[in-house]
Amino acid sequence: AQTVTQSQPEMSVQEAETVTLSCTYDTSENNYYLFWYKQPPSRQMILVIRQEAYKQQNATENRFSVNFQKAAKSFSLKISDSQLGDTAMYFCAFLQGGSEKLVFGKGTKLTVNP
Amino acid sequence: DTGVSQDPRHKITKRGQNVTFRCDPISEHNRLYWYRQTLGQGPEFLTYFQNEAQLEKSRLLSDRFSAERPKGSFSTLEIQRTEQGDSAMYLCASSPGTDNSPLHFGNGTRLTVT
Repeated sequence: AQTVTQSQPEMSVQEAETVTLSCTYDTSENNYYLFWYKQPPSRQMILVIRQEAYKQQNATENRFSVNFQKAAKSFSLKISDSQLGDTAMYFCAFLQGGSEKLVFGKGTKLTVNP
Repeated sequence: DTGVSQDPRHKITKRGQNVTFRCDPISEHNRLYWYRQTLGQGPEFLTYFQNEAQLEKSRLLSDRFSAERPKGSFSTLEIQRTEQGDSAMYLCASSPGTDNSPLHFGNGTRLTVT
């Protein structure tokens, strides 16, 4: 079974600085997708960024980018120019190709300090 | 598009009682998912529907749990004879059904079993 590990339960960063959240996963499959979801306090979970495993190029969405290391099974999220509104739980998630079952990590609580 | 709507937001019940939650997906989304999230954990997959057909169920979904989506629109999740271990946030999500399209989550229903 696939597993997703987020080794940083909590992190903090100063506003305008850069922070990197770690994620590793375990799978024997070649066809899969990786996601980062954000869950602000008392608000719904939203997709931040996604990466197809067959793509070598790292995905980027404005201030959010990933470092996808397929051989190492690592999928870290970099947030540049951190903003107060980035304060949230961040979940890394794995989806095997052809499946509808997202497997989530335990999350990293990110606090952006003014 | 008003997003995924879940009702109620909070439910407190006594052990042994039955509870039912409702989820209204984004209109035209033919896939609907239920996840459970306990404190300090990431969401765990429970089940998903393609239109009215329930296509996959997790082993987490014991025989006390039942989910329906009778007309392929809204869905209900019923828990019979609730136990304290059922206390969690129950998240609903929907997607348009194109391969690996991102999930749109609702705000969740927080269940507390006393």
